[in-house]
Amino acid sequence: AQSVTQLGSHVSVSEGALVLLRCNYSSSVPPYLFWYVQYPNQGLQLLLKYTSAATLVKGINGFEAEFKKSETSFHLTKPSAHMSDAAEYFCAVRANTNAGKSTFGDGTTLTVKP
Amino acid sequence: KAGVTQTPRYLIKTRGQQVTLSCSPISGHRSVSWYQQTPGQGLQFLFEYFSETQRNKGNFPGRFSGRQFSNSRSEMNVSTLELGDSALYLCASSLEQANTGELFFGEGSRLTVL
Repeated sequence: AQSVTQLGSHVSVSEGALVLLRCNYSSSVPPYLFWYVQYPNQGLQLLLKYTSAATLVKGINGFEAEFKKSETSFHLTKPSAHMSDAAEYFCAVRANTNAGKSTFGDGTTLTVKP
Repeated sequence: KAGVTQTPRYLIKTRGQQVTLSCSPISGHRSVSWYQQTPGQGLQFLFEYFSETQRNKGNFPGRFSGRQFSNSRSEMNVSTLELGDSALYLCASSLEQANTGELFFGEGSRLTVL
């Protein structure tokens, strides 16, 4: 069984400030972890993924995430927020033995203030 | 390379009707999965198909069904529509051989049930 908890359904930051979106996971087998972004009226787009290689993963648009097994966390960060980062972000876990079935968190809506 | 294509993008139905949604995966992708997205329940897994076989199924009633064709295109059907079926239905494909679990999403079909 696997699950994902995203702490904070809404996060608001000022433009240029640090973005930190929190994700904790639970998985009975070694997980693959993902962050997706969704803009209004669109599907989800992959930001980055962890697949048991480097624990610090760099993604698109300046985002990165660090896999911490001891904390079962995979938090998403970006040093400097841009207005275009405003969107909904989803953390997802997928067991590497159960292809196709990803479990998503409830999502975090990021607002960027000018 | 063309992305995941879902049709129709928007549709309105009335209670009791049925609906069929279509999904064309990225060329070469053999796994297609479907998700329902609603404000209250978030992203919920419906089912996943691989090589015309349903490989995983979520916790939805039998009114929700799907199939996959030999060209990997997939359809999902919802019969006897209820108001609660109003949602964004997302299709995602993945490259099975890579086994990284990354999903490529379409833009979704937004269903409104009146």
